[in-house]
Amino acid sequence: EAAVTQSPRSKVAVTGGKVTLSCHQTNNHDYMYWYRQDTGHGLRLIHYSYVADSTEKGDIPDGYKASRPSQENFSLILELASLSQTAVYFCASSPQTYEQYFGPGTRLTVL
Amino acid sequence: GQQVQQSPASLVLQEGENAELQCNFSTSLNSMQWFYQRPGGSLVSLFYNPSGTKHSGRLTSTTVIKERRSSLHISSSQTTDSGTYLCALERGNMGYKLTFGTGTSLLVDP
Repeated sequence: EAAVTQSPRSKVAVTGGKVTLSCHQTNNHDYMYWYRQDTGHGLRLIHYSYVADSTEKGDIPDGYKASRPSQENFSLILELASLSQTAVYFCASSPQTYEQYFGPGTRLTVL
Repeated sequence: GQQVQQSPASLVLQEGENAELQCNFSTSLNSMQWFYQRPGGSLVSLFYNPSGTKHSGRLTSTTVIKERRSSLHISSSQTTDSGTYLCALERGNMGYKLTFGTGTSLLVDP
């Protein structure tokens, strides 16, 4: 069974603060992804990675950085959190062109 | 413009009724993936369907690339089917990235 875990599961951050969201997969998948979900927008791709030590911009990368230190781990970093970054964040992994497996999500509230 | 459009946005059924959820896309695709999202968040993959028809229990997914559409049919609905159904387009020539529709919110009443 595919396994993608995220931490923390929820977080409250202050405007201007730094936030790091973590994702870990035990699937041995090459690809990992970060999405955010907002009401009325579905999920949108922020960053993705197809190999350790390399990340790529997705559709809405502004205000976010990503880090892939190993095949198993993929982090999303908000250097200066803003109110507009309040959302639910999902991590996913996939074995190249194939179905994606999602983590449980992290609910981020920026105050 | 929106590359993936889902319809209807919401749907209410009586238990036992069938449902047909639609996903239309305006760009080339490698594949279509359907997800179920539980109230409270996590996504469960239902189908990975590049083309044609696939079945899983009471669910059927049909993707017709020429017509740029994919559908999810739910037969004999149950209250436990309530939640949000999302389709996602794996885009051609753009790596392995998904573009999601905004979802269909389904409520099945007993």
